[in-house]
Amino acid sequence: DTEVTQTPKHLVMGMTNKKSLKCEQHMGHRAMYWYKQKAKKPPELMFVYSYEKLSINESVPSRFSPECPNSSLLNLHLHALQPEDSALYLCASSQRGIPSSYEQYFGPGTRLTVT
Amino acid sequence: GNSVTQMEGPVTLSEEAFLTINCTYTATGYPSLFWYVQYPGEGLQLLLKATKADDKGSNKGFEATYRKETTSFHLEKGSVQVSDSAVYFCALRSPEGGSEKLVFGKGMKLTVNP
Repeated sequence: DTEVTQTPKHLVMGMTNKKSLKCEQHMGHRAMYWYKQKAKKPPELMFVYSYEKLSINESVPSRFSPECPNSSLLNLHLHALQPEDSALYLCASSQRGIPSSYEQYFGPGTRLTVT
Repeated sequence: GNSVTQMEGPVTLSEEAFLTINCTYTATGYPSLFWYVQYPGEGLQLLLKATKADDKGSNKGFEATYRKETTSFHLEKGSVQVSDSAVYFCALRSPEGGSEKLVFGKGMKLTVNP
């Protein structure tokens, strides 16, 4: 099973709402990632979790709050977002270790619209 | 720092045409190289990869060879199909400076017409 699942598929939220994105993988991967992708652009890395600990935060605004409750789950909590945060949010996972050959497996994404 | 430069397109081809998407990179050490494909409305899928010089990655009729002397990883397919219409991203992952990061090119949109 090489699948990464994400819910919901689509999300519309107001600027005062609080919502969460969920990501799950059962490949035994110990590195998990959140990316943001705007239209016609490559994904931009937001956060990396390694062994359930936050290892990289790419200077993401605090209105985005990641959480890794266990080795299979990754959440992204959203609060007080701006319309410019509307994008496709992608989750990915990979093996963790020295070799850089480990590929990242991506989920289908959550299409977020902030109104 | 590490970077990837690829053809941006968009490119439109007829079915059964030959496809080449150029990709060159700048990296410290010996990176692994990847091609990802993104179909409309979907996430990214790994198309192929190569982890050392002269390695050839191949999948679904696509091929790319890791050329260290020219720092390139060009994607080729001999005969494209309508179903190959997608955005293609070249990417690298370097063992130096944090191997968690995947560095992407800007992506190239391919449309294949019947």
